[in-house]
Amino acid sequence: DQQVKQNSPSLSVQEGRISILNCDYTNSMFDYFLWYKKYPAEGPTFLISISSIKDKNEDGRFTVFLNKSAKHLSLHIVPSQPGDSAVYFCAAREGNNRLAFGKGNQVVVIP
Amino acid sequence: DVKVTQSSRYLVKRTGEKVFLECVQDMDHENMFWYRQDPGLGLRLIYFSYDVKMKEKGDIPEGYSVSREKKERFSLILESASTNQTSMYLCASSLPGQGKIGEQFFGPGTRLTVL
Repeated sequence: DQQVKQNSPSLSVQEGRISILNCDYTNSMFDYFLWYKKYPAEGPTFLISISSIKDKNEDGRFTVFLNKSAKHLSLHIVPSQPGDSAVYFCAAREGNNRLAFGKGNQVVVIP
Repeated sequence: DVKVTQSSRYLVKRTGEKVFLECVQDMDHENMFWYRQDPGLGLRLIYFSYDVKMKEKGDIPEGYSVSREKKERFSLILESASTNQTSMYLCASSLPGQGKIGEQFFGPGTRLTVL
């Protein structure tokens, strides 16, 4: 049973607008949440993370929000750029450095 | 800069062959992981290792084995390759310990096709 779920497999957005990616989880023991970005034929690269004791973390154009009571997090990309077109994976850590990954969201930014 | 390298970017093998996928990291990380990525299934953990000669099964270990004889090197072995093992294989490494975010650094991946 998947502990980290990403619905809406793909998202198309105009350049300059906001991209919002959502992620739900079931395990209340997760202590860190991470977002990874993956281009075709490359390995995933770390994008941004948030601790379970925070509700927001911002890094440039990327902001992650955590709603612990709802077991929900989201990634906001503002403004979206064509180089942001990639697959985004949500991941969660259970304290032993093992990560549980979601299935990924394909983002397409239209110039 | 952390560097994780994988021995091959593309590999084509025949059913029944023994396949070795090699992964090397240069940042002295204790933890190493092998995943496979399939469309619609995301990243699934096959095996991981917290130390030399130590291994633990992930979520889908069937049909695979691993070897960690040196800290920097983690090998994935397909004892008898089958067509359902056609996939993108990703190696990753990370630092251990509580208090760190557990960020994993990934290699570029090996696209394996089993005919």
